[in-house]
Amino acid sequence: AQSVTQLGSHVSVSEGALVLLRCNYSSSVPPYLFWYVQYPNQGLQLLLKYTSAATLVKGINGFEAEFKKSETSFHLTKPSAHMSDAAEYFCAVRRLSLFGSKLTFGKGITLSVRP
Amino acid sequence: ETGVTQSPTHLIKTRGQQVTLRCSSQSGHNTVSWYQQALGQGPQFIFQYYREEENGRGNFPPRFSGLQFPNYSSELNVNALELDDSALYLCATKEGAGGPYEQYFGPGTRLTVT
Repeated sequence: AQSVTQLGSHVSVSEGALVLLRCNYSSSVPPYLFWYVQYPNQGLQLLLKYTSAATLVKGINGFEAEFKKSETSFHLTKPSAHMSDAAEYFCAVRRLSLFGSKLTFGKGITLSVRP
Repeated sequence: ETGVTQSPTHLIKTRGQQVTLRCSSQSGHNTVSWYQQALGQGPQFIFQYYREEENGRGNFPPRFSGLQFPNYSSELNVNALELDDSALYLCATKEGAGGPYEQYFGPGTRLTVT
């Protein structure tokens, strides 16, 4: 079984500051890992994904994440926060499989950006 | 924006009623998954359809059922609605049942049960 833990439900940063959103996963098999962003009253947009290639993954809007197997982590970072980054962020895990695509999500982290 | 659309956008139903939600997949996508997102929570997997057959189900009761049509559009049906069914319902489509291809989410249907 897979699971995801996102530490903290709310992160607040100043505009221009580093963004760090933490995600730890549990998986009995090699996982695919994802970060999604959700703006108010909208669906989920994929920020980036890890599918067993490079451990440092670059995504859209300047975000990146590093897969660390030894720490079972996939933390999301952005060097400089922008006001438009304020949203809900979800980490998700999926097992490598030819037959299913079930995503298991964390509870999400709300990112606030202060002017 | 993705090519995945959902209808209706919002819906209000009474406890005990039945509801049907719809999802149109992105071109070329033969797999659809449905998720329930309660307020303040992450999405929870309901089930997945691949080429019109259910091929995976989460921890949801049988009153949650689905269909996938030959054009790969999909419906989620919920019978005997309960207050706890109030949530945002998301569908996601992709190419292939498994594999590395990403899923594309629709904007969701907000269901309120009173």
